[in-house]
Amino acid sequence: GQQVMQIPQYQHVQEGEDFTTYCNSSTTLSNIQWYKQRPGGHPVFLIQLVKSGEVKKQKRLTFQFGEAKKNSSLHITATQTTDVGTYFCADSFSGGYNKLIFGAGTRLAVHP
Amino acid sequence: NAGVTQTPKFQVLKTGQSMTLQCAQDMNHEYMSWYRQDPGMGLRLIHYSVGAGITDQGEVPNGYNVSRSTTEDFPLRLLSAAPSQTSVYFCASRDSTYNEQFFGPGTRLTVL
Repeated sequence: GQQVMQIPQYQHVQEGEDFTTYCNSSTTLSNIQWYKQRPGGHPVFLIQLVKSGEVKKQKRLTFQFGEAKKNSSLHITATQTTDVGTYFCADSFSGGYNKLIFGAGTRLAVHP
Repeated sequence: NAGVTQTPKFQVLKTGQSMTLQCAQDMNHEYMSWYRQDPGMGLRLIHYSVGAGITDQGEVPNGYNVSRSTTEDFPLRLLSAAPSQTSVYFCASRDSTYNEQFFGPGTRLTVL
C-alpha cells in the first residue's frame, strides 16, 4: 500500500544548530502536509505543499516539495528549545484529504 | 471557539468492556476523523465522516464503530475492548477551504 517514510526517526541537536527531516514515498505524493506535535500534546498543522518544486517559508522553517513529487523536507534554521517535538508529514495520495497517510514522525530534541 | 474537544482525557478499561470516546467541534466543519497514535507508528486513520449521516472506514477500522448524527459530534465506540486497542486517540476536524486538520487534545486509553 501507499506509505510515507520519514527520516531520521530521532535527532538531537544543540540549540542554534540546523535540523532537517525528510519525507519520502515510492509513489507520487499528492498534497503534503506537515504537522508538529509537542510532547504530550496534539498534532498542529504547519503547512501544505501542493505544487512540484514548491518552497514555502515560515520564519526559521523552510518546507520543500520535490520536483518529482516523491519527497518533501522540513528544514529548521538555528533551532531553539521551542522547536522540540515530533514533526510529521502526511499525504492524501489518491484517497483525498479525508484519508491522510502519516509518516512515523521525526522526534527532535534540542539541548540548550 | 473551543475548537475540537475530546472526553475523557484518560480511560482504563478491562478486556471485553465497551465504551464511547466523545468528540465535538464548534467550527462547523463538515469533515471529521478519528486517528490512533501508537509509539513509532505515527497516526493511523480509523474512521472518518464527510457530513452528518455519512461515515466511512479508514486504515484500521476493526473493533470500532462511529456515527455522525450532527455536524458537531463524532463519537467513537469500542465494541469489546482488547489490549491491542491501548493507544492515544485523536479526533480531528478539517476545514474544507484550506484542508487544515484541527486535532483535539486526545484520549489516552489503556486496556488491561
